[in-house]
Amino acid sequence: DIQMTQSPSSVSASVGDRVTITCRASQSIRTWLAWYQQKPGKAPKLLIYTASSLQSGVPSRFSGSGSGTDFTLTISSLQPEDFATYFCQQSNSFPYTFGQGTKLEIK
Amino acid sequence: QVTLRESGPALVKPTQTLTLTCSFSGFSLGANGMSVSWIRQPPGKALEWLARIDWDDDKFYSTSLNTRLTISKDTSKNQVVLTMTNVGPVDTATYFCARTQTSNGCIDWWGQGTQVTVSS
Repeated sequence: DIQMTQSPSSVSASVGDRVTITCRASQSIRTWLAWYQQKPGKAPKLLIYTASSLQSGVPSRFSGSGSGTDFTLTISSLQPEDFATYFCQQSNSFPYTFGQGTKLEIK
Repeated sequence: QVTLRESGPALVKPTQTLTLTCSFSGFSLGANGMSVSWIRQPPGKALEWLARIDWDDDKFYSTSLNTRLTISKDTSKNQVVLTMTNVGPVDTATYFCARTQTSNGCIDWWGQGTQVTVSS
């Protein structure tokens, strides 16, 4: 199975900050990577697919980049509603796997 | 509008078989390019992908749970069923079903999840 490792596990930031979350795959997944946002008690929400494509309806302050084994999710200017947990997921090969999550907290 | 809803028992005893049903609307599993996945999340932990069934009835499973899982679909009813045999306390989690794009594997619509506790 492909292992997905996110860093950091948690990060504190303020409204208006720029935040970057990293996801590393244990082998090349080309650009078969998605990012999800999850708030407590809710289902995850798709933000980014195929590494850099913004899902319809997702604010443009979210962006994704990377290919191969290293990927990033960037939030350009944090808004209060962005404080949540973020997960990456690879779909290069079965079984699909998720990262362990990055919790974004208010500083 | 796409919606998915999971249903099943909230409490299951160890060694029993868990059966979960995903009822969905707004898309068809008879349509080329559509799939449904099951994902679970133990309390306070990460997401774990379990299985996927495609429009053409291809099926894919978690490596570690492969021998315990079965996924099936009823296209006419817009339902997908996941069964998990021989459950134990480690299977306590919220179980989500979700629409998945067959071509790129992204999970674009999620159900609200159903909480399952395994306890005697």
